[in-house]
Amino acid sequence: TQLLEQSPQFLSIQEGENLTVYCNSSSVFSSLQWYRQEPGEGPVLLVTVVTGGEVKKLKRLTFQFGDARKDSSLHITAAQPGDTGLYLCAGGDNYGQNFVFGPGTRLSVLP
Amino acid sequence: DSGVTQTPKHLITATGQRVTLRCSPRSGDLSVYWYQQSLDQGLQFLIQYYNGEERAKGNILERFSAQQFPDLHSELNLSSLELGDSALYFCASNMGLAANTGELFFGEGSRLTVL
Repeated sequence: TQLLEQSPQFLSIQEGENLTVYCNSSSVFSSLQWYRQEPGEGPVLLVTVVTGGEVKKLKRLTFQFGDARKDSSLHITAAQPGDTGLYLCAGGDNYGQNFVFGPGTRLSVLP
Repeated sequence: DSGVTQTPKHLITATGQRVTLRCSPRSGDLSVYWYQQSLDQGLQFLIQYYNGEERAKGNILERFSAQQFPDLHSELNLSSLELGDSALYFCASNMGLAANTGELFFGEGSRLTVL
């Protein structure tokens, strides 16, 4: 069974600061997805990374997939209170099986 | 609005009881996934249906069962409820055969409290 670990578990920062959260595994994933979940809502997809070494940008968010496709990072520049939420990474194998979510990083951005 | 509808939003019941959670997937989506989210366990995959057939099974207890109907809506049945079953239950849908074939669209969840 593939497992995903995320760090840090909790992060509280001031508005305007930069941050990076990590998603790691000992297994190779065919792709990794990042979701954000806000209180009282279901997770919403932010990005999918497929190729080892791939970097994708979504406004102030930068996502990177590790060269070996075992890990990923999410960097937020100049965080805003609207970025507050639970960030989840998720991935599966080439057959679409064993799709798992990491435990998440709970981010709080204070004004 | 993801297009996935879950009912009820909140449910309070007693130990030993049985409840049914309902999910209407996004229009056109053939796959429905059920997840359980609790504070200490994160988002745990329970079961997936694709076009009416069970496609994949995760950590679903024997006391739990699900089905997908011809109109593609799905129901998750939870029986002999225990205190530890208190959690958020999410339904998600997508068009593909697997969770990583495109985006998963989640409903707003059903919060179950077992007293």
